[in-house]
Amino acid sequence: DAMVIQNPRYQVTQFGKPVTLSCSQTLNHNVMYWYQQKSSQAPKLLFHYYDKDFNNEADTPDNFQSRRPNTSFCFLDIRSPGLGDAAMYLCATSRVGSGASTDTQYFGPGTRLTVL
Amino acid sequence: QKEVEQNSGPLSVPEGAIASLNCTYSDRGSQSFFWYRQYSGKSPELIMFIYSNGDKEDGRFTAQLNKASQYVSLLIRDSQPSDSATYLCAVNMAGNEKLTFGTGTRLTIIP
Repeated sequence: DAMVIQNPRYQVTQFGKPVTLSCSQTLNHNVMYWYQQKSSQAPKLLFHYYDKDFNNEADTPDNFQSRRPNTSFCFLDIRSPGLGDAAMYLCATSRVGSGASTDTQYFGPGTRLTVL
Repeated sequence: QKEVEQNSGPLSVPEGAIASLNCTYSDRGSQSFFWYRQYSGKSPELIMFIYSNGDKEDGRFTAQLNKASQYVSLLIRDSQPSDSATYLCAVNMAGNEKLTFGTGTRLTIIP
């Protein structure tokens, strides 16, 4: 089945220790998104890739970076995690353009990040 | 004014009744509207999307869109305990690949 996969599902890191979260997709979608979601809050978009073009949200801290080496994979790097970065990190994909009828986003299962 | 507003709840509905979830949005250029279900500790799961005025039905779920009133709703018929979750409304504009989410409505179905 086509899907969005995130690894790891749970990540524990220490304050200030860099961490990388990964996302892969078999949907062949051209847009990939990273969201941060804290308890009882809406998902907050950090950035997204439209094909190879990187789009950063204005309020995304510099501590968060992303890489998309190919269509299928996207990574979220947190350079120096703080206690406030503990959250669920969600990867989503969509097919945009080329006559697509909707911009439906499909989410992966998420990575729960704990910062000690 | 928030761009997408939902009543945070909790909304409690007896099992077997109709649950009605509401969402309003501020941008008249919005074109596509989505309902996601999110169980506690899990990721959002697409329930329905709608982009034309009127009703769209899928099983026990009906999405209703009124662009003139900038209002979209989700009705769940014959509510089951497994429908207990947070329901997120999301909206996007034509030509914009981003979604704007509401904060979600927490729904509890009471057996």
